[in-house]
This record gives sequence, C-alpha cells and structure tokens, in this order.
Amino acid sequence: GAGVSQSPSNKVTEKGKDVELRCDPISGHTALYWYRQSLGQGLEFLIYFQGNSAPDKSGLPSDRFSAERTGGSVSTLTIQRTQQEDSAVYLCASSFGPGGSSAFFGQGTRLTVV
Amino acid sequence: KNEVEQSPQNLTAQEGEFITINCSYSVGISALHWLQQHPGGGIVSLFMLSSGKKKHGRLIATINIQEKHSSLHITASHPRDSAVYICAAAANNDMRFGAGTRLTVKP
Repeated sequence: GAGVSQSPSNKVTEKGKDVELRCDPISGHTALYWYRQSLGQGLEFLIYFQGNSAPDKSGLPSDRFSAERTGGSVSTLTIQRTQQEDSAVYLCASSFGPGGSSAFFGQGTRLTVV
Repeated sequence: KNEVEQSPQNLTAQEGEFITINCSYSVGISALHWLQQHPGGGIVSLFMLSSGKKKHGRLIATINIQEKHSSLHITASHPRDSAVYICAAAANNDMRFGAGTRLTVKP
C-alpha cells in the first residue's frame, strides 16, 4: 500500500487477555515508531526500531508490553494480560531513516479493554 | 516545561472564521508535523515541514526555524474541521508531541 497500515483499526478485549497490534510500514522505511494516546492524554512514545540496530524500548510502560519487527518490515506490538489502563489509541509511524524527518503515520488502533 | 508547546488548548469558532493554531518547540528539529485527530481516534498527517510554508486546500502551515515556531491556519472553517490538532517535532531518532489543540467549529 501507499501508506502506513495498522490493523485492526479497533479492538475490544477482555481484561487479562493478550492482544497483538500490527503495523505495516511504507516499503523501504528503515525507522518504525510506536506511540499511544490514552484518553485525554498526549501522544506517548513506546518503542523505536531503526534498521538492524537494537530497538529503543525506553518508552514501554511495563514488561507486559513487547514489540518486534520481522525482516525490518512489519512490526507487532504485543500486550500481555491486558489491563483497563491499556485502553488507548496505538499509533505507528515509519520514516526513511532516523530523525523522523519523512515520517508517515498510520491511522492507529483503538484498543478498549473491558 | 514541555519541549513542544501548543496554543490554544481549546478553540471554539463559528463556521467561516479564520483559525490559527500555534506550536513552539525548544528542541532542534529535522522536521515538524501537523496531525489531525478526529473524535473516532484516527490520526491523519496533514503536513510535514522543514522550512517555509505549505498549503493544502483550506489548510496552510508555516514554520520559522530561527524562532522555533510553527502555525497551522484554517481558512473558511467548517464544522467538519472539528478535531484535535497535534504538532509533532521530529528530532534525532524521536518525535516530541504537543498536547494538542481541540478545535470546535459551530455552524
């Protein structure tokens, strides 16, 4: 596709279940970012992948959160044992290189934990 | 102090009014993004700027690198412009976001 694609667009899950959120970046983009926006809050950095370098995981809020990027392309953000405070919009962005200077954003995944 | 400051936080306008949203940043940047988030939560990238001015339809974005300031203008505002507008400063390997400006345009 021409843009960054995220799936699903909406996800409702029961507390305690695991969820996987997917991001398909633009082909050729080496940098990929995950952010989240909780209700009434600003966008919060979660994790950053750049090429084959070790990801910057400094923004992950707990060890229930993990992300991987297979083959330098598709990324999956996994939340284990979801809690109600995990409810948020999860946003993915990709860019050609570090710095985000040509970053493109996905439409986001709205996660609701009930 | 946040590295990216937006003003105003909330803005209510009448249909047809000219609207300006401001963004000031304190970090060195490689680019600045304006994003639009509608009530359903989806986020759309409106502009990416590294200098000067860009225009798309009724939307205009400007940036002054020396003053570390950007503005988003909406001409002839319409109720469908109601959304949260977010400024994001791209620096090194991270992006820093403003808190957003909630715009409501009344018919």
